[in-house]
Amino acid sequence: TQLLEQSPQFLSIQEGENLTVYCNSSSVFSSLQWYRQEPGEGPVLLVTVVTGGEVKKLKRLTFQFGDARKDSSLHITAAQPGDTGLYLCAGGSTDGGSQGNLIFGKGTKLSVKP
Amino acid sequence: EAQVTQNPRYLITVTGKKLTVTCSQNMNHEYMSWYRQDPGLGLRQIYYSMNVEVTDKGDVPEGYKVSRKEKRNFPLILESPSPNQTSLYFCASSPRTSGRALGPDTQYFGPGTRLTVL
Repeated sequence: TQLLEQSPQFLSIQEGENLTVYCNSSSVFSSLQWYRQEPGEGPVLLVTVVTGGEVKKLKRLTFQFGDARKDSSLHITAAQPGDTGLYLCAGGSTDGGSQGNLIFGKGTKLSVKP
Repeated sequence: EAQVTQNPRYLITVTGKKLTVTCSQNMNHEYMSWYRQDPGLGLRQIYYSMNVEVTDKGDVPEGYKVSRKEKRNFPLILESPSPNQTSLYFCASSPRTSGRALGPDTQYFGPGTRLTVL
């Protein structure tokens, strides 16, 4: 069974600080997605990374896929209160027979205080 | 407006009473999926469907059934609900990707259905 471990589980920081969230596995994934979820709503996709070593930037958010496609990180620069939410990583199965199987990490709950 | 809709949004029921949670998308997506979200356990995939009449088990399929008779709808059926199925359920849809990545591309999630089984 493929598993994704996210760390930290909880993060409380002040506005303007930088932070990094990690998503690690012993398994290889075909792709990795990052979502943000706000209370009472469904997750919203932030980015998909596909190639080992790939780096994508979305304003103050930087996403990286590990060279071996087993891990990923999300770095936020100068965090804002609007960044508060639950951040989830999700990996696509490399098993050709279960291409639609997505495995989610348990999430990192981020709170950014003004 | 492109969206995934789920009904009902909230449901309280009793053990053993069959129920169906509907999911519909208007984006002509091939891929649809059901998840449950529980504190401390995160989002777990129940079933997914790569296309009409094609469904596969996710990580926690026990106690659930699905069907995909038409592209836009993907209902989740609980034949005999039990209290351990109390959870927040999300439906999602995605266009298939024929590019480098296997599996679903961007997933669009519905608003969620909060189910309580007494």
